[in-house]
Amino acid sequence: GAVVSQHPSWVICKSGTSVKIECRSLDFQATTMFWYRQFPKQSLMLMATSNEGSKATYEQGVEKDKFLINHASLTLSTLTVTSAHPEDSSFYICSAGPAGGVQETQYFGPGTRLLVL
Amino acid sequence: AQSVSQHNHHVILSEAASLELGCNYSYGGTVNLFWYVQYPGQHLQLLLKYFSGDPLVKGIKGFEAEFIKSKFSFNLRKPSVQWSDTAEYFCAVNEDTGTASKLTFGTGTRLQVTL
Repeated sequence: GAVVSQHPSWVICKSGTSVKIECRSLDFQATTMFWYRQFPKQSLMLMATSNEGSKATYEQGVEKDKFLINHASLTLSTLTVTSAHPEDSSFYICSAGPAGGVQETQYFGPGTRLLVL
Repeated sequence: AQSVSQHNHHVILSEAASLELGCNYSYGGTVNLFWYVQYPGQHLQLLLKYFSGDPLVKGIKGFEAEFIKSKFSFNLRKPSVQWSDTAEYFCAVNEDTGTASKLTFGTGTRLQVTL
């Protein structure tokens, strides 16, 4: 089956620093990847849609300058949390769907837990 | 805008009991429907999906769901739950646009199965 990986799985950083999270589709190509944020005991909230070779599309209320997304290849998208603050602490999850499918299923990565001190 | 409602936030069942989790969505166009499960400490996994055809879809681990278009519902069912089914269950919807489109998730239902 399709596998999506994320790295790192856990990160602790100081307030004001930047953190980069990688999302990789391991056995398929994904023209589109999605980044979600999940707060404890809550649902996933879509942050942005990452398109290979073009700018990401951000959901309303998500600061594009704070959450930088780069989708440089068909198997890799990165989310950089710039100047992180404690309120950015959360569980970040990416998903990807196989390219070319009309009715594709999204496959989710294991998530990255970010703690900003 | 699409929205997804899951009315049961926390369900506690004994092993072997039957399960039905409600999911309703609001969207006037053609949608694809999904149920995902998140076991404790693990990532989201697809349980089942509906794109078209038979409205009763069967997924993994004995789960099934029925799409009732007139009710905008896609309820998840399992005849006899096991302790290992303890998890968070999410219903999700996306527009059938022919290309990758974003998923809208419900708030999730926490299922706790007791021995």
